[in-house]
This record gives sequence, C-alpha cells and structure tokens, in this order.
Amino acid sequence: VLTQSPGTLSLSPGDRATLSCRASQSVTNNYLAWYQQKPGQPPRQLIYGASNRVAGIPDKFSGSGSGTDFTLTISRLESEDFAVYYCQHYGNSPLVYTFGQGTKVEIK
Amino acid sequence: QVQLVESGGGVVQPGRSLRLSCVTSGFPFKNYVMHWVRQTPDKGLEWLALISYDGNSKFYADSVKGRFFISRDNSKGSIVLEMNSLRPDDTATYYCARDGWMSTFGGAHDYWGQGTPVTVSS
Repeated sequence: VLTQSPGTLSLSPGDRATLSCRASQSVTNNYLAWYQQKPGQPPRQLIYGASNRVAGIPDKFSGSGSGTDFTLTISRLESEDFAVYYCQHYGNSPLVYTFGQGTKVEIK
Repeated sequence: QVQLVESGGGVVQPGRSLRLSCVTSGFPFKNYVMHWVRQTPDKGLEWLALISYDGNSKFYADSVKGRFFISRDNSKGSIVLEMNSLRPDDTATYYCARDGWMSTFGGAHDYWGQGTPVTVSS
C-alpha cells in the first residue's frame, strides 16, 4: 500500500511543493514512479526509479527517497504545475503495480 | 510520436460484456509489454492487466481475474481488453499504457492513451 500526503496542498505560484509517498513495505530497487495528471488528461510520467527524470521533464521536478519513504519536490510552482500527483510502486519480482491515492496541488 | 488511442467504451448493463481496443503507433509495438489501467474518483488508479511483447504471458489483478482477458495483435499494433460479467464497480475510465521496459514487464507506464469511459448501470 502506498500512502500519499498531504491529500491536498494549497500553494502559490513560485512556492516550493513537497509531496510525500510512504510504502507499507520496502520498495525493491527503488522502483517508484511519479505521475502528474491534469483534468481530462491521462497521467504523465515524471520520475522513475525514485529519482530519475523522464526525458523532457523540466528539472524543477525532482524525486528522492529510498526504502519506504519517497518525496517529489517541485522547486518553483508555475501555473501549469497545479494538478494531481500520483506515486506508483512497480516491478516484476514479484509483479507489482500499486498506485498511491494522489496529492492535489491547488492554487492558494 | 508515440500514440495510444482507446475505443469501445460506453454504457452497458450489469452482467453484460464489453470489448475495449487500443491502437498504437510511433514505436516498435512488438517489442513492448502493454497494460490496461483504470481510474475512478473513489478508488483512483488501478492496474488491471498486462500482456507480454509476444502475447505469451498475461497477468491480471485479482479484481478482474477470470472476468477480463487481454490480447494483442502485433501485426496491427493493437491490444484488446475483453470484459465479461461486468459489475457497477467496474465503472471507470480505462487506459491502455506502455511498459517503460522494452521486451520485459515490470516497468513504469511511460505512455498512456486518453482513456475510454465505461459505465455499468441498469
């Protein structure tokens, strides 16, 4: 089980956002991904392997953590960053695809 | 560019069946594992099924095992989700997604379709 906190983050443009994802058991090989989802759109992958940015994702997004505690940081929020963010535990030994319940980053 | 386009969603009565399709382009489809994932406001994102690049291996979430079946046609670059014995709690937006690891499964989902909505209601 992945637990994301907070459920909602109310921030202003230019603020730093810190999103948490906690796993009920250790994430093997740090196979932890982060996704961004905007209304009416599918999730978009931002991070894989806990800290590796997907090609084309701006460096204001950074992932960190290991074991059971992971963090997504958005260094300076811009208008297009207000969205819902999900973490995901993935892997094949054993097969696992589990999503967190999401954190909504909204404009304060 | 990579594209995934789902179709086949709609309104269906409980107990009936529905067939979803996902047509892809822009990448070597036969080299990639493909997935179905659904999303509801209540339960969030839920992984449902995957099919290996060659179609020989399939895995399902417990919630759909024995009711949903995934298949692929490498000559057409497409996958299908056959959904049987549908229940109201299967109501969701259904996405196809590509596995980020070539030739094996277990990777994160690097590309997603726009989704197709399914409503199970009498």
